[in-house]
Amino acid sequence: LAKTTQPISMDSYEGQEVNITCSHNNIATNDYITWYQQFPSQGPRFIIQGYKTKVTNEVASLFIPADRKSSTLSLPRVSLSDTAVYYCLVGDNQAAGNKLTFGGGTRVLVKP
Amino acid sequence: NAGVTQTPKFRILKIGQSMTLQCTQDMNHNYMYWYRQDPGMGLKLIYYSVGAGITDKGEVPNGYNVSRSTTEDFPLRLELAAPSQTSVYFCASSYPTGGDGYTFGSGTRLTVV
Repeated sequence: LAKTTQPISMDSYEGQEVNITCSHNNIATNDYITWYQQFPSQGPRFIIQGYKTKVTNEVASLFIPADRKSSTLSLPRVSLSDTAVYYCLVGDNQAAGNKLTFGGGTRVLVKP
Repeated sequence: NAGVTQTPKFRILKIGQSMTLQCTQDMNHNYMYWYRQDPGMGLKLIYYSVGAGITDKGEVPNGYNVSRSTTEDFPLRLELAAPSQTSVYFCASSYPTGGDGYTFGSGTRLTVV
């Protein structure tokens, strides 16, 4: 499984856009990039997944450059409730026994 | 639709005691997983299962056992609890393709004293 590196923490203010970049230099051809959000005392929640270029849903956007060695999760106009830990994971969705490894994540603090 | 349900939510065990953490899902997911999360850390995979009757070890399986007799249930057994097993335990499930991501339960907070 490809190892990921992401910032330990980030601060932002309400209404701003938050961009979290994840490095995954050893990403394999069949690997997808998935982001999860975790609030205190809760299990992680799936946010978005992508393979290349750009993916957008009602919560976030995911930007993946052509070489796929990094990806950026973009949270538009954050609110206080977006304060959470965000995990970047890389793995092969099609592999039997697909088992994702969660690193330390990025702690995002949204300030008023 | 309840998703992934874990019981109990909290438990205190004495060293050497045993217990079973229950996990059930109603989404007909083939794959199920057990993770543990220590304070301020990421999640580590303990065991996983790709279907009824099939289980395999993850990153940190020592001190734990699992079984998967049905698609819905994936209990985690702790034998001879140790303080190092104090953690929050999360159960998760997914479809084989993983395209919709994992669905996690709300966790069981276990303290071993």
